[in-house]
This record gives sequence, C-alpha cells and structure tokens, in this order.
Amino acid sequence: EADIYQTPRYLVIGTGKKITLECSQTMGHDKMYWYQQDPGMELHLIHYSYGVNSTEKGDLSSESTVSRIRTEHFPLTLESARPSHTSQYLCASSDRPGTGEPSSYEQYFGPGTRLTVT
Amino acid sequence: GQNIDQPTEMTATEGAIVQINCTYQTSGFNGLFWYQQHAGEAPTFLSYNVLDGLEEKGRFSSFLSRSKGYSYLLLKELQMKDSASYLCAVNLIWSNAGNNRKLIWGLGTSLAVNP
Repeated sequence: EADIYQTPRYLVIGTGKKITLECSQTMGHDKMYWYQQDPGMELHLIHYSYGVNSTEKGDLSSESTVSRIRTEHFPLTLESARPSHTSQYLCASSDRPGTGEPSSYEQYFGPGTRLTVT
Repeated sequence: GQNIDQPTEMTATEGAIVQINCTYQTSGFNGLFWYQQHAGEAPTFLSYNVLDGLEEKGRFSSFLSRSKGYSYLLLKELQMKDSASYLCAVNLIWSNAGNNRKLIWGLGTSLAVNP
C-alpha cells in the first residue's frame, strides 16, 4: 500500500493568489514528481526531484516552482494563480532502482489536487 | 523525439477478453509500464515489462516486444469495474549520471465495459 498524500484535494481560488500544493510520502523514496493532467489528456511532467536539494523542470513548461528540503516533502507553489493553471496536479514518488527488481521503478501516485482558478 | 501511440477508446462486454495495444518510438528504453486510471482518480500500477515476453498477473497480462516497439495489455473475464483509462508509459534512461529515469506517457485508452 503506497503512502503518498496530497492536500488540498480540491481548491478553488481567485486569480492572482499565491498557492502551495502539498505532497508528502512516508516510504522514504528518493524520487518525487509533479504531473499536470487535464481531463482526458495525457500526464505531463512539470517538476521532478532525485533527492533532497535536487529539483528539475520537466517536459511541460510551468510557472510553478518546487522545493525539496526534506525527503518526504515536495511542495509545489504558484506565486500568482491564473485561470490557465486550472488543472489536476498529481504527485508521485518512486524508489531508488534496485538490482533486478523491475517494479522498483514503479511510481506511486497521490490522490491529486484539482485546482480551479476563477 | 519520443512517441507513444494507443487507441483512444475501446468497448467490450462483461466477461469477455480485450487487448489494448501500445506502440512506441523512444530512445534509451528501459521498460514499459501499464497503469489503470479511473475517472478523476490517480493512476495505479498494473504491470512492468523490461524483457520480451508475457507477464501474467491474475486477470491482467502484459506483453512486450522490444524489437518491434510494441506492447499490449490483455484483460480477461472483464468486469464492470474495469471501465477505466489504461495508460502505457515508457521508462527512459535520460541521464548518464546514475540511475536517472523518467516516464513518457501515452494519452491512454478509455475502455468501456458494457453488461
């Protein structure tokens, strides 16, 4: 059973507000990811981290920023929310690859945060 | 570039068998995942193939042919709860610095199981 949590689950907020989406995992995973997904569309990687103090931008350009000060915590921040940021944001984590356990690459997903910016 | 193709939609009948195909053109291939995603929920892991052949796990099986850039997910004894989107994702080695990998995701195949 994966233990990865996201808060809030749903958020409706006005344009221009600063927001932080929380993601925490209790599995001690090194790698964490943020994806953005619109209804019926593919997952887009927007940020990832391979460990504490390591963060990189993903394939999809995003105005959000992330931090990784602790292994278990990977928050995503939008300094000034806009309606174009309306989407579902999914956080995931994965284990350090082992020697012969393919499933150790598996990404465990949190329940997601559905963000609506009005 | 990296590209993954899956059918957009499929329909099947409860109790039947359905095969969902996935073809990919990628570099640095290091395995292929299948995930299930119900509407409004997060993806959940179904299978991972890194070597050619068939992996069976209960009602679900996944096949990989690396030379053909092809995989399929086979669902047997379909149940109504199997109605979901099925995502194919390729695990890429994208950095020479250690074991850094990332997933490239397909758009998903929306499967509707009818009674």
